[in-house]
Amino acid sequence: EDKVVQSPLSLVVHEGDTVTLNCSYEVTNFRSLLWYKQEKKAPTFLFMLTSSGIEKKSGRLSSILDKKELFSILNITATQTGDSAIYLCAGGQAGTALIFGKGTTLSVSS
Amino acid sequence: SQTIHQWPATLVQPVGSPLSLECTVEGTSNPNLYWYRQAAGRGLQLLFYSVGIGQISSEVPQNLSASRPQDRQFILSSKKLLLSDSGFYLCAWDRLRGGNTIYFGEGSWLTVV
Repeated sequence: EDKVVQSPLSLVVHEGDTVTLNCSYEVTNFRSLLWYKQEKKAPTFLFMLTSSGIEKKSGRLSSILDKKELFSILNITATQTGDSAIYLCAGGQAGTALIFGKGTTLSVSS
Repeated sequence: SQTIHQWPATLVQPVGSPLSLECTVEGTSNPNLYWYRQAAGRGLQLLFYSVGIGQISSEVPQNLSASRPQDRQFILSSKKLLLSDSGFYLCAWDRLRGGNTIYFGEGSWLTVV
């Protein structure tokens, strides 16, 4: 059965800390790994990764994919309270819908 | 640019009552459309997806149904709600199904009492 597993499920850090969120996947006909940020309502797209070892970066957020070990990480440096959210990881496979993990709830305290 | 809207944003319904959530996409044609449900601690569960008018695929057996009467309209329905139907429902779309970025509507909070 295809699945995406995220860890940790929840995390509390202080402003300025660096965090690493993990996502492992078992997805047949794998095509891509996607990260979303969900604050109060709709998840918003962060990254899509298709190639191993190529880091994608947006401001303080970065992500990388390892297709050999079947995992991805999302790094957030110098965290801010506005980074508090649920971070969702999803595996994309050919011809069908994304498979989502349960998410990591990040809380950043000031 | 493309936009997606869904409504209502929140609703409280008694057990056994019907449900209708609507979703429309603007600024694109022939989108793939999805309904997801998000229950606390359970991530996003795919309920239905549609690749065209009248074409609905169901991912899990349940008390819900979906319809796509027009190209950019997707409706989630139930004839009789259960307590377990409570959750956050998200409509989403993409153009090329299969590992590509999907975009979500604002979501609908359903509480069944």
